[in-house]
Amino acid sequence: EPEVTQTPSHQVTQMGQEVILRCVPISNHLYFYWYRQILGQKVEFLVSFYNNEISEKSEIFDDQFSVERPDGSNFTLKIRSTKLEDSAMYFCASSIAGVGETQYFGPGTRLLVL
Amino acid sequence: DAKTTQPTSMDCAEGRAANLPCNHSTISGNEYVYWYRQIHSQGPQYIIHGLKNNETNEMASLIITEDRKSSTLILPHATLRDTAVYYCIVRVMGNTPLVFGKGTRLSVIA
Repeated sequence: EPEVTQTPSHQVTQMGQEVILRCVPISNHLYFYWYRQILGQKVEFLVSFYNNEISEKSEIFDDQFSVERPDGSNFTLKIRSTKLEDSAMYFCASSIAGVGETQYFGPGTRLLVL
Repeated sequence: DAKTTQPTSMDCAEGRAANLPCNHSTISGNEYVYWYRQIHSQGPQYIIHGLKNNETNEMASLIITEDRKSSTLILPHATLRDTAVYYCIVRVMGNTPLVFGKGTRLSVIA
């Protein structure tokens, strides 16, 4: 069964460093998403991406964040200058374009900013 | 904010049916009811969704009341591996973001 994959599974970085989180969505999916979950808190939407541009973003997704589809398979989330409060699980999701289509999530990347 | 209300936690005996309720009294006519679950800190796993008819798949059944103001997710024979946080989410048609609440923590007990 096709699934969303994410790398790395764990990332430790120093405050102020740049990190890139990678996702490979399900191959025939056209909508891509990033969510995050701070330890003990709710899963929160960050951004959605379709047709090589951002469709929607939350207020969390500020100028420190960017997304890119650098090739036909990868979807990345870049945090330019990490802060302590960026420590969280980051989940990628994808869905087929269409009405009410289901989002399928990857296993997540645990980011720890020291 | 999430438009749903769920109990904080529930217990269920292994092998019995787990019935997880959800209230969504302000649901609009064009909003679906989705259920996801999250085991430990893994990625949310899709379970089932519906608009107004009851739905069943290999994982669960979804019962939506006629007025669509509440629904129940049924896991017919709960196992220990069904221990997870279950999220009920209402969502408009289209590829809109999922808004997660705190969900129901289901503990399946041997």
